[in-house]
Amino acid sequence: QSVLTQPPSVSGAPGQRVTISCTGSTSNIGAGYEVHWYQHLPGTAPKLLIYMNNNRPSGVPDRFSGSKSGASASLAIAGLQAEDEADYYCQSYDSSLSGFWVFGGGTKVTVL
Amino acid sequence: EVQLVESGGGLVQPGRSLRLSCAASGFTFDDYGMHWVRLAPGRGLEWLSGMSWNGGSIGYADFAKGRFTISRDNAKSSLYLQIDGLRSDDTALYYCVKDVASSWKTAGYFDSWGQGTQVTVSS
Repeated sequence: QSVLTQPPSVSGAPGQRVTISCTGSTSNIGAGYEVHWYQHLPGTAPKLLIYMNNNRPSGVPDRFSGSKSGASASLAIAGLQAEDEADYYCQSYDSSLSGFWVFGGGTKVTVL
Repeated sequence: EVQLVESGGGLVQPGRSLRLSCAASGFTFDDYGMHWVRLAPGRGLEWLSGMSWNGGSIGYADFAKGRFTISRDNAKSSLYLQIDGLRSDDTALYYCVKDVASSWKTAGYFDSWGQGTQVTVSS
């Protein structure tokens, strides 16, 4: 059971907009800690997609955006493309005994 | 270009030990904190441990305390993870990960990952 909760899967047709939620608690996101997102294509190295809630590293298309409100965060992918089919993970800090840096369980994005 | 190349994984029996290595290149290794993260079947990504640039500060996930030991050799631009008393639930792909800061516990996000080394624990 991951500390941060994500839906196991989301899907959308090419060109559509999909969102992935990341729900935490008062010991992590709800306490104001920042959220980061990673994209992982199986067989490759995970890639930093969004950092500090809503910032994109150089080279990440502006189709990807992040937001945070209360104890939850979201990753939105606009104009879905076939190459976006991957696993996506949120990450934050947790002040409880469960760990220091914690991840969500991951969401598989399928492009229909 | 940043490169992180893990090695040392394999098929091991329960109770045995393993030492994973990570060779880093393409950046000034001793400027950055480093971490180990694993991807376990059905459990997603799990942060295991982090170490500051000079090894002076170390952190472990609660479940990793006692059996996992992180270390680094800045002269060799290498990061290591010793795993003792391997269990079946240690079966995972283990990633070497670069922090964006010199400490492992300040910035909190990771800008480069290796391809991972597979550890399978089975008799």
